[in-house]
Amino acid sequence: NAGVTQTPKFQVLKTGQSMTLQCAQDMNHNSMYWYRQDPGMGLRLIYYSASEGTTDKGEVPNGYNVSRLNKREFSLRLESAAPSQTSVYFCASSHDRLNTEAFFGQGTRLTVV
Amino acid sequence: QQQVKQSPQSLIVQKGGISIINCAYENTAFDYFPWYQQFPGKGPALLIAIRPDVSEKKEGRFTISFNKSAKQFSLHIMDSQPGDSATYFCAARGGSGTYKYIFGTGTRLKVLA
Repeated sequence: NAGVTQTPKFQVLKTGQSMTLQCAQDMNHNSMYWYRQDPGMGLRLIYYSASEGTTDKGEVPNGYNVSRLNKREFSLRLESAAPSQTSVYFCASSHDRLNTEAFFGQGTRLTVV
Repeated sequence: QQQVKQSPQSLIVQKGGISIINCAYENTAFDYFPWYQQFPGKGPALLIAIRPDVSEKKEGRFTISFNKSAKQFSLHIMDSQPGDSATYFCAARGGSGTYKYIFGTGTRLKVLA
């Protein structure tokens, strides 16, 4: 049972480069999330998707775009990476009708130089 | 605006002692309050959770105390062990038709052997 799978695990980008972080879950969950984790800042919500085809901004959406391709996949795109986007990114999912926990992936450590 | 405030930022406890982490929230529409545990290099994992209609929940050495009128909740770790050394996050899930999880800033716990 894979749960929530994120790729890649590590990435180094140059300022101005673009990239997409991939996330897939195999638990048939409705909601999916992208968070960033920075020292002393906790987990901050970037974007949220309640279902396929719907997305909603979180606390820190600037500089990011997302796409909920289908129920399983939720990708996060950085169009023009900036050093301030150096962080650890976590994808999560939850099955809200069952009122259960959010399950997290293992994270992507992104460094923008 | 920090909707979930967590304290302390770090905590050092002797083996066998009690670890206490506190959180306060603002939005009375929150309907689910989980605590997550995170080890270095890993994604957060659910530790214990409570709904606002319950004042206390205990699972093994871990207890959540919930004070709805004060809009506060806390995690108590009894008989703390070195293996409990990790970062702990409180969270609150948004009511009013959304399932967004808002996290506190985290507490780094170190249990001394």
